[in-house]
Amino acid sequence: DAKTTQPTSMDCAEGRAANLPCNHSTISGNEYVYWYRQIHSQGPQYIIHGLKNNETNEMASLIITEDRKSSTLILPHATLRDTAVYYCIVRVYNNAGNMLTFGGGTRLMVKP
Amino acid sequence: NAGVTQTPKFQVLKTGQSMTLQCAQDMNHEYMSWYRQDPGMGLRLIHYSVGAGITDQGEVPNGYNVSRSTTEDFPLRLLSAAPSQTSVYFCASSMGDRISGNTIYFGEGSWLTVV
Repeated sequence: DAKTTQPTSMDCAEGRAANLPCNHSTISGNEYVYWYRQIHSQGPQYIIHGLKNNETNEMASLIITEDRKSSTLILPHATLRDTAVYYCIVRVYNNAGNMLTFGGGTRLMVKP
Repeated sequence: NAGVTQTPKFQVLKTGQSMTLQCAQDMNHEYMSWYRQDPGMGLRLIHYSVGAGITDQGEVPNGYNVSRSTTEDFPLRLLSAAPSQTSVYFCASSMGDRISGNTIYFGEGSWLTVV
């Protein structure tokens, strides 16, 4: 199972872009990179996922390096409501189904 | 469309008591799972199911039972509650397509305290 490494915490000024890095150097070819966030003990919220191409949706952009060993989640204009713990997860498969393996995540603090 | 619904939201149990956390989803998802989250930590998988009648153990299954008699429901049973099971419990569901990267939806959590 591929593991991920993220900084423990980051700060970002309100209105600026928040760039959250993630290393997943042992990722295999059919594993996806997912990003979820958890706001103050609520249920984790899906943000975005990708395989090899860069992805963008209404919440964020995901940049995956060409060798797929790292990725960056970009929140283009961070607001105070984006303060949360952000989890970078590599999708784990087994014979029976799919699971998510959560690491410690990055605690993003958006400051006014 | 309610998504993933968990009940109860809060529960206090005495050591040795048993109870069931309920989870229901209305998205016709094949995959359902239960996670627990201890203070300051990430989520850990307890049990999961890939369809009605099929369940399997996750990372921390001891002390918990599950069953999946319908596609919609995936209850988690605590057989004899222990203080170590004090945690926040999250139910999750997703489609069963293992080829594409499907979104996993989480419930809002059930806060359980065992005294």
